[in-house]
Amino acid sequence: QVQLQESGPGLVKPSQTLSLTCTVSGGSINSGDYYWNWIRQPAGKGLEWIGRIYTSDSANYSPSLRSRVTISLDTSKNQFSLRLSSVTAADTAVYYCAREGRILTVGGVYNWFDPWGQGTLVTVSS
Amino acid sequence: DIQMTQSPSSLSASVGDRVTITCRASQSISSYLNWYLQKPGKAPKLLIYAASSLQSGVPSRFSGSGSGTDFTLTISSLQPEDFATYYCQQSYSTPYSFGQGTKLEI
Repeated sequence: QVQLQESGPGLVKPSQTLSLTCTVSGGSINSGDYYWNWIRQPAGKGLEWIGRIYTSDSANYSPSLRSRVTISLDTSKNQFSLRLSSVTAADTAVYYCAREGRILTVGGVYNWFDPWGQGTLVTVSS
Repeated sequence: DIQMTQSPSSLSASVGDRVTITCRASQSISSYLNWYLQKPGKAPKLLIYAASSLQSGVPSRFSGSGSGTDFTLTISSLQPEDFATYYCQQSYSTPYSFGQGTKLEI
């Protein structure tokens, strides 16, 4: 059973770079079968998709964050990472990593997020 | 970008009730619609994918329907553990987007 676990600093100063890692256990991140995603949720608010990575050469980002976001893979450690630069208080949120499962049918390829990590709170404050 | 709108934003119900939550997309997304349940302090949990397919291990009282722009999640008989916040999510195209959530309260 695949499990994901986020890790990283819980406090980041404004204008600095937020860095988080998601460790995948119970399966290989290098299987080529899945996209690996980051999603965040400010306290009391809804979910926001940040971006995803498939291979080291294939990543997609939210247009609203694209200029500040980098998602990368470390297949040797079975991890993927998020870097968000020039953070402000608006970036304070619980950050989740999630695997993007998919199924190929006659009607198309359907994707969903499962499983998710437990989430990690990152606070941007001086 | 595709906008997802859920209604209602909150809903009060009782154990045993039948409940329906609606999700509307700003453009046609075929059946590329997923539903999640989130309890306080926990990660979202997948309930339904591809609009109407029940995720393994999810009770059969949950069902999904719809295609195009209008979708529904129905809980046939509410159980105490179902009181949570529900989100829809489109997987038609990136950037993926979620509805604002529907909080189901006792």
